[in-house]
Amino acid sequence: EPEVTQTPSHQVTQMGQEVILRCVPISNHLYFYWYRQILGQKVEFLVSFYNNEISEKSEIFDDQFSVERPDGSNFTLKIRSTKLEDSAMYFCASSGGLILGYTFGSGTRLTVV
Amino acid sequence: QKEVEQNSGPLSVPEGAIASLNCTYSDRGSQSFFWYRQYSGKSPELIMSIYSNGDKEDGRFTAQLNKASQYVSLLIRDSQPSDSATYLCAVLRPNDKLIFGTGTRLQVFP
Repeated sequence: EPEVTQTPSHQVTQMGQEVILRCVPISNHLYFYWYRQILGQKVEFLVSFYNNEISEKSEIFDDQFSVERPDGSNFTLKIRSTKLEDSAMYFCASSGGLILGYTFGSGTRLTVV
Repeated sequence: QKEVEQNSGPLSVPEGAIASLNCTYSDRGSQSFFWYRQYSGKSPELIMSIYSNGDKEDGRFTAQLNKASQYVSLLIRDSQPSDSATYLCAVLRPNDKLIFGTGTRLQVFP
């Protein structure tokens, strides 16, 4: 069964450092997303991406965050200057059609120290 | 008012019983509704989707939708200990953004 792949599975970084989280969506999907889940809290929407541009972003997705689809397969989330409160599980998701639901990757656990 | 509301639980049911999970949503324009299962430390896994009023059955799972009441539910028949997880209700907003509830933790005891 096709799956969304995320790397790394766990990243530890110092406060103020830049991190890039990587995702390979399902190959024929057109819609891509990043979500995050702080430990013990709900899954929160960060950004959606379609046709090589951001289609929607949340209040959380401020100027510290950016997304890119640098080639035909990868989809990345960059956090420029990490803060302690960025520590969370980050999930990438993709969808072949909006009403079909999203397929989530296994996540990257980001720990900012 | 939260966009998607769920009782956080835990909901404890004995093995073999029916587990009933409920969800309400605030945006009447929402058209698509989903149930995800999330095991601790894992990613959400899609188990059911529903778009029309009424019931939709898939194996031991039945999703129910009532748009007039803005209410979605999930029934799990013959609950197994392996069903113990957090169940997330998710609603696709008209702006194509999938919004999650906080989830209901289900515990199925032998």
